[in-house]
Amino acid sequence: DQQVKQNSPSLSVQEGRISILNCDYTNSMFDYFLWYKKYPAEGPTFLISISSIKDKNEDGRFTVFLNKSAKHLSLHIVPSQPGDSAVYFCAASAVGSGNTPLVFGKGTRLSVIA
Amino acid sequence: ETGVTQTPRHLVMGMTNKKSLKCEQHLGHNAMYWYKQSAKKPLELMFVYNFKEQTENNSVPSRFSPECPNSSHLFLHLHTLQPEDSALYLCASSQATGTEAFFGQGTRLTVV
Repeated sequence: DQQVKQNSPSLSVQEGRISILNCDYTNSMFDYFLWYKKYPAEGPTFLISISSIKDKNEDGRFTVFLNKSAKHLSLHIVPSQPGDSAVYFCAASAVGSGNTPLVFGKGTRLSVIA
Repeated sequence: ETGVTQTPRHLVMGMTNKKSLKCEQHLGHNAMYWYKQSAKKPLELMFVYNFKEQTENNSVPSRFSPECPNSSHLFLHLHTLQPEDSALYLCASSQATGTEAFFGQGTRLTVV
């Protein structure tokens, strides 16, 4: 049973607009969430994270929102750029429960159209 | 120089071959991981090492054998693989288990 779910396999967005990538989780012990970006033929690279004590974390064009009651997080990219086209993975861990390894979703392929 | 280096980048092997994947991290991290990425599947955790000790084996078949001689190096020894084992194998490291993991570029493995 998947503990981290990314239900949209792909998303297309116009350059300059906002990209919103969604992620849901089932394990209520998860308290640390991360987003990774992956280009073809490369390993994932860390993008941004959020702890469960926060509901928002911002880093430049990237903002992650966490809704603990809904067990849902989202990544907002604004404005979207063609170089943002990649696969985005959501990941979670239970740091407060003994540091479990990261659990990843299936990924969402983002295409930013110029 | 990337923090986590994997070799080789590409590997084609027959089902009767024995080969090894190598991973080296230059970040001073204490935890190292092997993940498998197959098409249309989540990244699957295979093995976790903390301070050179294996702390997790995610029901991985014995034809995959990890080795961690020190906290900077991690190997994945492969023998008698099946075609369905063809995938991207990713090594990662982190300061502690569950914190930001830094990935290598992966080894694209094809079993013929």
